[in-house]
Amino acid sequence: SQTIHQWPATLVQPVGSPLSLECTVEGTSNPNLYWYRQAAGRGLQLLFYSVGIGQISSEVPQNLSASRPQDRQFILSSKKLLLSDSGFYLCASNQAGYTGELFFGEGSRLTVL
Amino acid sequence: GENVEQHPSTLSVQEGDSAVIKCTYSDSASNYFPWYKQELGKRPQLIIDIRSNVGEKKDQRIAVTLNKTAKHFSLHITETQPEDSAVYFCAASRAWGKFQFGAGTQVVVTP
Repeated sequence: SQTIHQWPATLVQPVGSPLSLECTVEGTSNPNLYWYRQAAGRGLQLLFYSVGIGQISSEVPQNLSASRPQDRQFILSSKKLLLSDSGFYLCASNQAGYTGELFFGEGSRLTVL
Repeated sequence: GENVEQHPSTLSVQEGDSAVIKCTYSDSASNYFPWYKQELGKRPQLIIDIRSNVGEKKDQRIAVTLNKTAKHFSLHITETQPEDSAVYFCAASRAWGKFQFGAGTQVVVTP
């Protein structure tokens, strides 16, 4: 199975500040990678997904961006945070070319003040 | 794109009773239907899944049924216990694995 490391676990940022959340995956190569956001402790909203290095697809328009500089590294960024960016961010991964279990990281709780 | 609807949003059951959560999906090409359990402040974890070539799957106290014609699938938890209290998510996926999740069901099991 895959192991996903995600950090930081918690952060509090002022409005207008930058953001960088990082995720690395162990136990597989060339995984599909995802960033989800969960607001109000409920639904999982897909933000970005990637099927390979440098290949990023965005699901919703927003002030966030994602990058995949290495095969098993996925980064979520923002140049200027908004209050509405607060939430629980989850990195996820599954095996490339196969519809199967999605593994999640521990999550990063972001509070924008 | 795929749209997944999940009901109910909240479910309270007494310990020992059964719980049923239902989901419908819109994309007839979806072929993989997992269920995730998320405890407070933790990451979602897979509890059971079903593929489109199977109508029912069971694992101890949990079972999932799939009706492809009607495009709905359900999670059944029997003999509920307090540790079953959590938020449960259904999801639907096609092709290479992009998932669409339902909005979640908060299950509360009271002793």
